[in-house]
Amino acid sequence: GENVEQHPSTLSVQEGDSAVIKCTYSDSASNYFPWYKQELGKRPQLIIDIRSNVGEKKDQRIAVTLNKTAKHFSLHITETQPEDSAVYFCAALNTGGFKTIFGAGTRLFVKA
Amino acid sequence: NAGVTQTPKFQVLKTGQSMTLQCAQDMNHEYMSWYRQDPGMGLRLIHYSVGAGITDQGEVPNGYNVSRSTTEDFPLRLLSAAPSQTSVYFCASSYSRDYGYTFGSGTRLTVV
Repeated sequence: GENVEQHPSTLSVQEGDSAVIKCTYSDSASNYFPWYKQELGKRPQLIIDIRSNVGEKKDQRIAVTLNKTAKHFSLHITETQPEDSAVYFCAALNTGGFKTIFGAGTRLFVKA
Repeated sequence: NAGVTQTPKFQVLKTGQSMTLQCAQDMNHEYMSWYRQDPGMGLRLIHYSVGAGITDQGEVPNGYNVSRSTTEDFPLRLLSAAPSQTSVYFCASSYSRDYGYTFGSGTRLTVV
């Protein structure tokens, strides 16, 4: 079945540094890749997404890249701030099954 | 515009009891899903629906039933609660299959 693997499970960076979270997916039919941020005790919220016809997308300090050949996609956060501390989830949508499958999450700590 | 509303926010059940988690959205979204969130395991898809009258199984459907009689409502039924169903449950909806989800605030369920 479909599978999304996410690494690392925990990431600690100094304020101002960059953070990179990587995901791989198993289903080559996947064509939509959203990223969610979940603060402690709150609901996940969409922060950025990318579709399979695009290789990179940027929104201010966050960017996502997609390598369809390798079935990899990554989230890049630049100039990290303490409020970026949260759990980040990647996900992949399989068009045929209409299922969005999530990675296990990355807990990001940004130290001031 | 309330978004996605889940009730209750907290629930304690005894093993063997049944209950229904309610989910309603007022955004006229066709796509709705139920996820459970357990520590270290991310969000796992239980059931999903692509429109009124249409539901399908996700990754972990055993022990749960769903129905979708209207576009707005997508209740999740626990047939006979087990301690393994202790989790945080999130309902989510989306305008289209390749649009990000809007999540509800979650239901924290404990089965004793």
